Amino acid sequence: GDSVTQTEGLVTLTEGLPVMLNCTYQTIYSNPFLFWYVHYLNESPRLLLKSSTDNKRTEHQGFHATLHKSSSSFHLQKSSAQLSDSALYYCALSEGFASALTFGSGTKVIVLP
Amino acid sequence: EAAVTQSPRNKVTVTGGNVTLSCRQTNSHNYMYWYRQDTGHGLRLIHYSYGAGNLQIGDVPDGYKATRTTQEDFFLLLELASPSQTSLYFCASSGQVNQDTQYFGPGTRLLVL
Repeated sequence: GDSVTQTEGLVTLTEGLPVMLNCTYQTIYSNPFLFWYVHYLNESPRLLLKSSTDNKRTEHQGFHATLHKSSSSFHLQKSSAQLSDSALYYCALSEGFASALTFGSGTKVIVLP
Repeated sequence: EAAVTQSPRNKVTVTGGNVTLSCRQTNSHNYMYWYRQDTGHGLRLIHYSYGAGNLQIGDVPDGYKATRTTQEDFFLLLELASPSQTSLYFCASSGQVNQDTQYFGPGTRLLVL
């Protein structure tokens, strides 16, 4: 079945530094949709951004990600982390119509002053 | 902004107890989902539904039943609760399955003693 791998369970970094969260996936579907959800403490998880076409960058709230089907990846990046970016980040995959999302195990990000 | 509510927000029960978690969405969404969130495992899909009376099995369904009574209401039932079901449970809804944003409720924290 489908799977999503997030290799970092915890990322700790200093404010102002760049951050990259890894996401790779496995699916037999040729046109998957990839998502990043963010879960702030004491809030509900919510969509951060979702993939567009192959090799096209999508951006939201200073974060960006590019779907690369050749490497089955959808890494999340931000050039300068802020304290408010501290949260749990999930990468998720949808293989197509009538299938639910498959989430990765999540990456907890802690941004320190 | 889509609205998803869950009740109760916190629940404590004993092993073998009977628990019902409730979820309501008022966005006329077709799809509703139940997830559990556990450290190291991320969000895992228990059951989902694409309309009243419909139920689809998710990735971790053992020990859980679910019922979608109306378009708005989706219930998760634990008939013989076990300590392994101690978790944070989220309900979510979306208009369609693959491309649409999932909107999450505030979560229910369940402790099984």
